[in-house]
Amino acid sequence: QVQLQESGPGLVKPSQTLSLTCRVSGDSIDSGYSWTWIRQAAGRGLEWIGRVYTSGSTNYNPSLKSRVTLSVDTSKNQFFLRLNSVTVADSAVYYCARVSAVTLMGFDIWGQGTKVTVSS
Amino acid sequence: QSVLTQPPSVSAAPGQRVSISCSGSSPNIGSNYVAWYQQLPGTAPKLLIYDNSQRPSGIPDRFSGSKSGTSATLSITGLQTGDEADYYCATWDSSLSAGVFGGGTKLTVL
Repeated sequence: QVQLQESGPGLVKPSQTLSLTCRVSGDSIDSGYSWTWIRQAAGRGLEWIGRVYTSGSTNYNPSLKSRVTLSVDTSKNQFFLRLNSVTVADSAVYYCARVSAVTLMGFDIWGQGTKVTVSS
Repeated sequence: QSVLTQPPSVSAAPGQRVSISCSGSSPNIGSNYVAWYQQLPGTAPKLLIYDNSQRPSGIPDRFSGSKSGTSATLSITGLQTGDEADYYCATWDSSLSAGVFGGGTKLTVL
């Protein structure tokens, strides 16, 4: 079955860049789906970060658009999140997920999430 | 402040029915399909409903969704203690060209 696994540093200093990887296993990343990142600050709700297609096309949350870049490496079956100039407000659990082929906001497979803390 | 508005909490007794509302506006719920997610404590969210009322494989028919105008509703019948979780609505916002979530609703099964 398809599985997603996030990885990346658990601690990032303020003003630095947060970089996360989502590894897709059990199927090709280039099989007609798009891929998304969502985050959740402690005790808070879900926040959609953005979506990336294997073509490289992207959509971003307007509140993060100036700082975020999503990308895909089909040869490695991975997709990526880069968030620049982080602050403590970017501390959260970051999830990667697969976007259903039939609906824009149907995230049918999720990673377990990775906790990122922004602190000096 | 979320684009989609959900009640912070709802509660009901085991075996009862509960409904969770999600209120939006024309460019989001009014123009696009709604999805619902269940997040059990300490776990990743799980897709419950997509395209307003469709259930993914494996989701029991105790869970149902509906949409009318700029609002959507998730209904759960035959409540079980295992249904205690946070529930989120989500949709695309055509004016933002972005996905949006509701603020979440905590369900307590008394």
